[in-house]
Amino acid sequence: AQSVTQPDIHITVSEGASLELRCNYSYGATPYLFWYVQSPGQGLQLLLKYFSGDTLVQGIKGFEAEFKRSQSSFNLRKPSVHWSDAAEYFCAVEKSGGSNYKLTFGKGTLLTVNP
Amino acid sequence: EAQVTQNPRYLITVTGKKLTVTCSQNMNHEYMSWYRQDPGLGLRQIYYSMNVEVTDKGDVPEGYKVSRKEKRNFPLILESPSPNQTSLYFCASSPHLAGRTDTQYFGPGTRLTVL
Repeated sequence: AQSVTQPDIHITVSEGASLELRCNYSYGATPYLFWYVQSPGQGLQLLLKYFSGDTLVQGIKGFEAEFKRSQSSFNLRKPSVHWSDAAEYFCAVEKSGGSNYKLTFGKGTLLTVNP
Repeated sequence: EAQVTQNPRYLITVTGKKLTVTCSQNMNHEYMSWYRQDPGLGLRQIYYSMNVEVTDKGDVPEGYKVSRKEKRNFPLILESPSPNQTSLYFCASSPHLAGRTDTQYFGPGTRLTVL
């Protein structure tokens, strides 16, 4: 069964600093990978997704992620963090094919941004 | 506006009192799913539906029921709620795309407390 690991439960960065959130997945076939963001009291918003092709994907709000098959990773990056980026971030893998497009989520990384 | 709506957004109830959380999407999506979110556990799938009258269990279906009589609606039913069903619930929908989904769109969440 597929699984997703986000090693960092909580990360604190200063506004303007760069950010990298780690995500490792375990999945036998070609994964479909996603990053979602959840602001306090809000639902989940898709930041970006990877299905195939270019391994560096661009998303909304200035985020990008790089798929590295050899490392089973899909890390999320942003060159300069804004205070409004404070939220919880979830990496997810979709089970491809079959009859259930279930998303398996990591347990999330809470991002705090210091002024 | 394309969206997934859930009602109610907040609910406090007592053990054993049947309740229904509604989910509706206006994007004509075939696939719909329910997740629950618990601290430290991330999001876990409860039930999913590939299309009208087609539903199946996810990872944590115990204590829940669903139905899919119309394409746009996918209610979650708790016949006899218990305190361990206190959680944040999300509905999601997605189109089919040749054996996989595209983006899954999430509703705003329903925070349920069972006393």
